[in-house]
Amino acid sequence: KQEVTQIPAALSVPEGENLVLNCSFTDSAIYNLQWFRQDPGKGLTSLLLIQSSQREQTSGRLNASLDKSSGRSTLYIAASQPGDSATYLCAAHGNQFYFGTGTSLTVIP
Amino acid sequence: DTEVTQTPKHLVMGMTNKKSLKCEQHMGHRAMYWYKQKAKKPPELMFVYSYEKLSINESVPSRFSPECPNSSLLNLHLHALQPEDSALYLCASSQDSQARETQYFGPGTRLLVL
Repeated sequence: KQEVTQIPAALSVPEGENLVLNCSFTDSAIYNLQWFRQDPGKGLTSLLLIQSSQREQTSGRLNASLDKSSGRSTLYIAASQPGDSATYLCAAHGNQFYFGTGTSLTVIP
Repeated sequence: DTEVTQTPKHLVMGMTNKKSLKCEQHMGHRAMYWYKQKAKKPPELMFVYSYEKLSINESVPSRFSPECPNSSLLNLHLHALQPEDSALYLCASSQDSQARETQYFGPGTRLLVL
C-alpha cells in the first residue's frame, strides 16, 4: 500500500521568507501528484497538479516539483504571507488517491 | 463553475438518528467520492462512484450507506452512528475515475455524533 509522508509536520516562518514543504511516497507507480491547501475546518483547495511525465508546475508564488524515481515532491512557496497559513497536503494518485500526513504552516506577520 | 457543494455544513445527531449528507456538482463529472477526515489527519477514502455505480467501498461499516441518484448528486445516508464517527466528511468529484484527473473537493460537512 502506498504510504505518503510529509516533513515537517509543522512549520512556522516570518513573513517574506521562502520555504519548502516536502512530500515522499513509497510507490513510484503514480499517475500524478497533487498539492492541496486546507484551512481549519474547511475543504481542500487544489494548488498544483503534476503529471507523472512532468518535473514541475508553477502557479504564482508556488512551484511544485516531482521526482518519481526517488519518490519525492516539493512545494516551494516564495515570499510567504500570513494568508498562506494553512495545512498543506500532498496526494499521490495511483490506483487511488493517497494523502500525505500534512504540514501545518504558520506565517508570522 | 468548478464548485462542489455540500449540505449541511454542520450536523449534530444522536446514535439512534437517521440523517443524510448531500453533495452536488454541475461540472459534468462522472466520478464522485466520499472521504472521512478526523482532526489533524489526512482524508481517508470511503466510497467511489463512477458513472453512477459504486466502484470502490473501502470496507466502510454498513451504518454508512452511499447513494448516487444521478450524475450530479451524491448522498451519504447515516444510521446508528457511533461517537467515533464524528469527523469532517468531504465530497469530491473528477471528470472520471481515471487516475490522471484532478479531484475537486467540497467544503465538507462537520458531523458530531452524541
